[in-house]
Amino acid sequence: EAQVTQNPRYLITVTGKKLTVTCSQNMNHEYMSWYRQDPGLGLRQIYYSMNVEVTDKGDVPEGYKVSRKEKRNFPLILESPSPNQTSLYFCASRAQGLLYGYTFGSGTRLTVV
Amino acid sequence: EDQVTQSPEALRLQEGESSSLNCSYTVSGLRGLFWYRQDPGKGPEFLFTLYSAGEEKEKERLKATLTKKESFLHITAPKPEDSATYLCAVQNTGFQKLVFGTGTRLLVSP
Repeated sequence: EAQVTQNPRYLITVTGKKLTVTCSQNMNHEYMSWYRQDPGLGLRQIYYSMNVEVTDKGDVPEGYKVSRKEKRNFPLILESPSPNQTSLYFCASRAQGLLYGYTFGSGTRLTVV
Repeated sequence: EDQVTQSPEALRLQEGESSSLNCSYTVSGLRGLFWYRQDPGKGPEFLFTLYSAGEEKEKERLKATLTKKESFLHITAPKPEDSATYLCAVQNTGFQKLVFGTGTRLLVSP
């Protein structure tokens, strides 16, 4: 089944403890992206990648890092999480060409205390 | 700065009662406008891409249209399973960034 897989689904952590949210897609998509979704603010793009080793900042990149060493994987790293990073995170991927919208993962609900 | 505004925030319909959702956008150069559906606890699901004013796309009871300033998602004779949040997003010609609106929560009662 074509899908984007994120792990974990739920995570509670403490301020300052480094964490990684993994994202993997099995569709050989070139484009991958991370979003956070907050009430009243909608989905906001954190980082995106157009291919292996090609990444760029979205609208809210502060406090996050990404890497794209393989085409299928696009992990999101929080080096020193803070409570304002408590949010619902989505990874998404799509093929080249706008005809194809993004396929989203099921989300990771992160709570930083 | 690219902006997307969706209205209404929430809409309650009776089954079979047709209506439209609005997405107003400001973008320096439109590369594409997207509609997604999001069910509670799930990631958004892609519905349509529209590229230029005058374009229309249809899928079952949904029809999306595009003008130079806004897009409409028309829902004809909705059913309870159409209940979801509908999201609109735009992509600028110069960037790969996708800018989303905050969505319209649709509830269709039997």
